[in-house]
Amino acid sequence: DVKVTQSSRYLVKRTGEKVFLECVQDMDHENMFWYRQDPGLGLRLIYFSYDVKMKEKGDIPEGYSVSREKKERFSLILESASTNQTSMYLCASTLSRLTGLGTEAFFGQGTRLTVV
Amino acid sequence: GNSVTQMEGPVTLSEEAFLTINCTYTATGYPSLFWYVQYPGEGLQLLLKATKADDKGSNKGFEATYRKETTSFHLEKGSVQVSDSAVYFCALIRITGFQKLVFGTGTRLLVSP
Repeated sequence: DVKVTQSSRYLVKRTGEKVFLECVQDMDHENMFWYRQDPGLGLRLIYFSYDVKMKEKGDIPEGYSVSREKKERFSLILESASTNQTSMYLCASTLSRLTGLGTEAFFGQGTRLTVV
Repeated sequence: GNSVTQMEGPVTLSEEAFLTINCTYTATGYPSLFWYVQYPGEGLQLLLKATKADDKGSNKGFEATYRKETTSFHLEKGSVQVSDSAVYFCALIRITGFQKLVFGTGTRLLVSP
């Protein structure tokens, strides 16, 4: 069974802390994504990566960075957490940017981060 | 740019009622279209998809038809169940360039017995 696993379901961090959210996929997918989900705003893309050590900014990258040292792992980093980063964070992966039509994305279960 | 607009919720229905959740899109070219579902406390999972005009995606009694002329991909189900209560997201993916999913804001469905 295909799987995207996020390291934590719930996290509570203090303002100013450096926060790491980890995501691992076991499907040998090339592409990995980090989204945040907020009520009324849907899913917004933070960063994505289409290869090891490659990263691209999404729609809302400010305050975040990412790391992809291995194909299966994609980390989201909050350099200095702030209360407006309290949100649900979702990791996803897709097979390949060269894949044809109808590429399905597989999602992790989400990490609900609260910054106090 | 590419965007997806879906109806605001919540949509509240009684069991066995007919469901429609509207979704329209803006995209260059001919994207692939998806409906994802998010059950409480879980991540998103693919419900159905369509890759070209007039395609009909279907799964678990849900259906959606890719309408190029109206740029729409409305989700329908003839008889909803309490277990269908969830948040539904319409999404598209470009077929040229990097394959990045663009989501709508989500529609919460509440089905009561």
